[in-house]
Parts: sequence; structure tokens; C-alpha cells
Amino acid sequence: SYELTQPPSVSVSAGQTASITCSGDKLGDKYVSWYQQKPGQSPVMVIYQDSKRPSGIPERFSGSNSGNTATLTISGTQAMDEADYYCQARDSGTEVFGTGTKVTVL
Amino acid sequence: QVQLVQSGAEVKKPGASVKVSCKASGYTFNSYGITWVRQAPGQGLEWMGWISAHNGYTNYAQKFQGRVTMTTDTSTSTAYMELRSLRSDDTGVYYCARRRLGEFNYGMDVWGQGTTVTVSS
Repeated sequence: SYELTQPPSVSVSAGQTASITCSGDKLGDKYVSWYQQKPGQSPVMVIYQDSKRPSGIPERFSGSNSGNTATLTISGTQAMDEADYYCQARDSGTEVFGTGTKVTVL
Repeated sequence: QVQLVQSGAEVKKPGASVKVSCKASGYTFNSYGITWVRQAPGQGLEWMGWISAHNGYTNYAQKFQGRVTMTTDTSTSTAYMELRSLRSDDTGVYYCARRRLGEFNYGMDVWGQGTTVTVSS
């Protein structure tokens, strides 16, 4: 079965840039979405189709996808961005979530 | 506004079944699909499957094949997920989420508030 691997944790100082990677076989051939989940809350989509931001998502969230790796970048990270982040892709009609990354803002 | 409202928390005994509802509002229900996602305590997101509200097509994750049934009632804009033969490791939060129909992946753009299911003897 298809797997998406993320680093368990990423730490970033407030105001700096956080990069979260998502790795999978030929991931660049698939569309990737990213979700933010804060404790006790439902996930929120922050990026879809690799790099598109849904309405209401701040411009500091951006995404890219090439080769075997997709990347979510948070520019000028704020304390409110501290959360778990999951990538997601579709493989043969099956949705797959990444292992998740906890982002800590120092 | 577009929203999905799920049914309340459930406590079930091992071997029982649970049926979670997800009522949609603010959009044309049968123009989208509904995905179901599970999250065990302290764990990540797990895709269970999805159903097209347009024609009832379903696609279940292999892990849940034979134990899960997803349905929709277009008259009430409600989706349902029934999980049978519950085990303790089915304990978790169950989410419904909206997805577009068609071959391209647009992600899951609207999520319900989650339904906690506890399986315990």
C-alpha cells in the first residue's frame, strides 16, 4: 500500500520559516493536500492541489511538490500556527494521509 | 455557511455496531462526496472510505471492508457511516469531510466536528 512519510516534529522560532516535508514514491505525479489540526479540533485544509490556498488561509502558507517530496512552508510563523500537520494524496482511488508532523513555535 | 454537523458521542460494547450521522448544509449535497476519517487517541488521521452523494458509489479502505457501510439520504442531506463488530481499537474520533466528485484530488475542504466513539466492556 502507498505510504506518506513526514518528520515527527519540526521546531521553529516565531517569525521564521518552517518547512514540513512529505515523502512518497513518485509523489510529484499526484496532487497533495495539507491539513492543520490543533488540539481538540477538527482538521482544516490549508493547501490543496500542491500549492493552492483555500479561501481564508493566510498567504504565509505555501506548498510545492516535485519528485518524491511535497513541502509545506509556513513563512513568518506565528504562535497560532503551532499544530499538527498532515499531508494527503490519492493513490489508485484510495486516500492516504501522511504520518503527521507536530510543529512547535519557540 | 457550508457546514457538516455530526451526531453525538457514543459508547458501545465490543461486538456491537455504531452508526454516525453527518448532516450537510449550505451547499448542494448531491454535487459532492463525503469522506470518513478516523483518529485513534493520540494518533494520526486514517482514511476509512468515501461515498458519492450523487450516485451512492462507495470506496472503502481495505482495512474496513466487510465491517463498514456508508450511505446517504439526499432528502435530508445526511451521510451515515456504520461500523460493525466493534473492537476496543475502534475507539477514537470519527470525522466526516466533504470532497469534490471527479478524478482530480481537491482534498477535503469542509470537516465535521467529529464524533467520539468509545468501545469498552
